[in-house]
Amino acid sequence: GAGVSQTPSNKVTEKGKYVELRCDPISGHTALYWYRQSLGQGPEFLIYFQGTGAADDSGLPNDRFFAVRPEGSVSTLKIQRTERGDSAVYLCASSLTGPNTEAFFGQGTRLTVV
Amino acid sequence: GQQLNQSPQSMFIQEGEDVSMNCTSSSIFNTWLWYKQDPGEGPVLLIALYKAGELTSNGRLTAQFGITRKDSFLNISASIPSDVGIYFCAGLPNTGNQFYFGTGTSLTVIP
Repeated sequence: GAGVSQTPSNKVTEKGKYVELRCDPISGHTALYWYRQSLGQGPEFLIYFQGTGAADDSGLPNDRFFAVRPEGSVSTLKIQRTERGDSAVYLCASSLTGPNTEAFFGQGTRLTVV
Repeated sequence: GQQLNQSPQSMFIQEGEDVSMNCTSSSIFNTWLWYKQDPGEGPVLLIALYKAGELTSNGRLTAQFGITRKDSFLNISASIPSDVGIYFCAGLPNTGNQFYFGTGTSLTVIP
């Protein structure tokens, strides 16, 4: 597609539930990133994929968070047993070859845990 | 993690004025990116810088990669109302795979 697409744009879930957030990167981009942005803050890194593999998952806050990119294109961020503190905007970005190339962001998924 | 200090935190300016903001780091960075974010939207890439000393323009926007590789500057000339938004710097350190973001500069342009 023309840009990075994220679905859903908004997600409200109850505490303790499981959620999946989807990212469709720019076609041909091998690198994909997930970031989390809290109100009034800059985005914080979660995980970086190069192709199908997670090259750096050092930003995932705990083992409730997991992400996959099975075919090297679409990625899914999965959050188990959601907590109110998980509420944030989850941003996905992609770049052509890796971290040293320009990264383009999607519009984000606003997750609210009630 | 890396800390990026972005300043000023907010700016209120008259339409037509020039704007300057900057970002500093305690570590050396290989790449600097500048983004603009509107409410409810993802960050939009404005300018990318890859070499120390590099000066790059995009319309009324000009950004520079500091010589020390620990800072970057963004200037906006002749501001217009649609420049309103939050501007973020992002840096890629010498080693590592993640961009670190500044805390943002909120720009308000008064017509």
